[in-house]
Amino acid sequence: GENVEQHPSTLSVQEGDSAVIKCTYSDSASNYFPWYKQELGKRPQLIIDIRSNVGEKKDQRIAVTLNKTAKHFSLHITETQPEDSAVYFCAASANTNAGKSTFGDGTTLTVKP
Amino acid sequence: NAGVTQTPKFQVLKTGQSMTLQCAQDMNHNSMYWYRQDPGMGLRLIYYSASEGTTDKGEVPNGYNVSRLNKREFSLRLESAAPSQTSVYFCASRIRFGELFFGEGSRLTVL
Repeated sequence: GENVEQHPSTLSVQEGDSAVIKCTYSDSASNYFPWYKQELGKRPQLIIDIRSNVGEKKDQRIAVTLNKTAKHFSLHITETQPEDSAVYFCAASANTNAGKSTFGDGTTLTVKP
Repeated sequence: NAGVTQTPKFQVLKTGQSMTLQCAQDMNHNSMYWYRQDPGMGLRLIYYSASEGTTDKGEVPNGYNVSRLNKREFSLRLESAAPSQTSVYFCASRIRFGELFFGEGSRLTVL
């Protein structure tokens, strides 16, 4: 089955700096790569996603890049703010497998004011 | 529009007791999922239902059973709870392929 590895497990940055979280996946059939943000005690919520026919996608301060050849994708957050502090999860799924999503173990991002 | 609703939000069980977690979605989604979340281990898939009338095992199905009661409802049952099943459980749904919509989670403690 699919295996998703996520790094780093914790990340601390100063407000205004950029943050980068990286994930690798193993199943070449995976073609959908979402990122979820989970605030303390809350449910995970989608912040951005990318499909395999696209190399990069941007939404304001958040961007995701995908390298299908190397089987890795990354989340980039620019101009970080304290409210960006949360746990971020990457995931991978293939539409040929009932859309089952395999998640990375998460990255705890702390943005220091 | 409530989205995905889970009950109960909190539950304490003794080892060997049974319970059912209920999940309902009002978004007319085809696929529904049960995940468990443990510290440092992300979200692991327990069972899923790709469409009404079908259920399949995920990564960690042992000790659990599920029922897709209709298109809206997908329940998770623990027949004989064990301390290793202490976790936060999330139900999720989606149309077929794309964004997962999660419930608020159910925090289960097994003593």
